[in-house]
Amino acid sequence: DAGITQSPRYKITETGRQVTLMCHQTWSHSYMFWYRQDLGHGLRLIYYSAAADITDKGEVPDGYVVSRSKTENFPLTLESATRSQTSVYFCASSEGVLRYGYTFGSGTRLTVV
Amino acid sequence: AQKITQTQPGMFVQEKEAVTLDCTYDTSDPSYGLFWYKQPSSGEMIFLIYQGSYDQQNATEGRYSLNFQKARKSANLVISASQLGDSAMYFCAMRELGGATNKLIFGTGTLLAVQP
Repeated sequence: DAGITQSPRYKITETGRQVTLMCHQTWSHSYMFWYRQDLGHGLRLIYYSAAADITDKGEVPDGYVVSRSKTENFPLTLESATRSQTSVYFCASSEGVLRYGYTFGSGTRLTVV
Repeated sequence: AQKITQTQPGMFVQEKEAVTLDCTYDTSDPSYGLFWYKQPSSGEMIFLIYQGSYDQQNATEGRYSLNFQKARKSANLVISASQLGDSAMYFCAMRELGGATNKLIFGTGTLLAVQP
């Protein structure tokens, strides 16, 4: 199906483990983003990418790594998960036509125990 | 640096009444875009409306309108004739257009409850 897909929807992991959240979009949008949502903070930008092989840090990048070898995929890796990284993670994409907004995935709820 | 402020953590409104959700922003870029998103309890982020800083008229999309006051740096969302299905979290967001990053920055949100 066309759209933006995140996987998994739910994940429980242990402190110190590496975990990767996947994001796939079918529109070939140039821009892709990772946000985390926490109560009282709204959505905060972790990393973004303007195109394949071009990534940059957002507001809260520490502890996260991204890659974008293909336009359609933008995985987010927590190298050594901490409890403070328990959150809901959203991936989004945009082609830059602002009136259409940014399109978000359904989110991944990550719990670090 | 760009910043979005939503000062209303939560609001109640009676069904069929209009409600205004406040949003103020700060930016030094004269060119920017403002967005509103709805997040129902199911969790998805739904794009509602967009306003460009150079747009001459306030944006409208069905029952949603954006009260854009540039001098006051405010971009309030007005929902007319509230429905029970409007109960959700609402986020205001902004993107500065002068830079090359295309970053969208969000406020902390307002939780709206529509009462029958």
